[in-house]
Amino acid sequence: GAVVSQHPSWVICKSGTSVKIECRSLDFQATTMFWYRQFPKQSLMLMATSNEGSKATYEQGVEKDKFLINHASLTLSTLTVTSAHPEDSSFYICSATNPGQGREKLFFGSGTQLSVL
Amino acid sequence: DAKTTQPTSMDCAEGRAANLPCNHSTISGNEYVYWYRQIHSQGPQYIIHGLKNNETNEMASLIITEDRKSSTLILPHATLRDTAVYYCIVRAFSSNTGKLIFGQGTTLQVKP
Repeated sequence: GAVVSQHPSWVICKSGTSVKIECRSLDFQATTMFWYRQFPKQSLMLMATSNEGSKATYEQGVEKDKFLINHASLTLSTLTVTSAHPEDSSFYICSATNPGQGREKLFFGSGTQLSVL
Repeated sequence: DAKTTQPTSMDCAEGRAANLPCNHSTISGNEYVYWYRQIHSQGPQYIIHGLKNNETNEMASLIITEDRKSSTLILPHATLRDTAVYYCIVRAFSSNTGKLIFGQGTTLQVKP
């Protein structure tokens, strides 16, 4: 199956700082990537759709100025949590479809655990 | 996309078949049924998907009722490593964005 790599796996930061999370498609080109967040014992919540070369599309209730998404190449999307606060502590997961394996399948990264002190 | 209903949790004995049900009574004709699972602190893993015919791959089988209002994921010989949260998701094939909307899923506990 296609491989989606996410980095870092975990990060601890101080309140007020910004954190960048990278999502790479290792063996395919992904024109579209998706960002989810997950709180403990809850399901995944879609945050935004990242489109290569254009602005991201955010789900209702997600602050676009808080969660900056950049999709500058066909293999890399980044999520920056700006001015992080403890309530932003969560598990962030990216995903992408591999056109070569059919748009129906969505492949996920291993996730990034963010802890804001 | 249609909503799905799954039991919150299930237990299964190791080596036995695990049958995970999913109700999707409002499914439309162009919507597929997908199954993903998430092992603790990892990203979700694709298992299988289908439209109306039963499907089988190396991981599992998917049985969809004739009226398509429900389906069952079957893990033929469950192992301890199959302990995870299993998500049943319905998504329109015509949707070209690829995004999946996750429900609460079923927590499957495989016991020795």
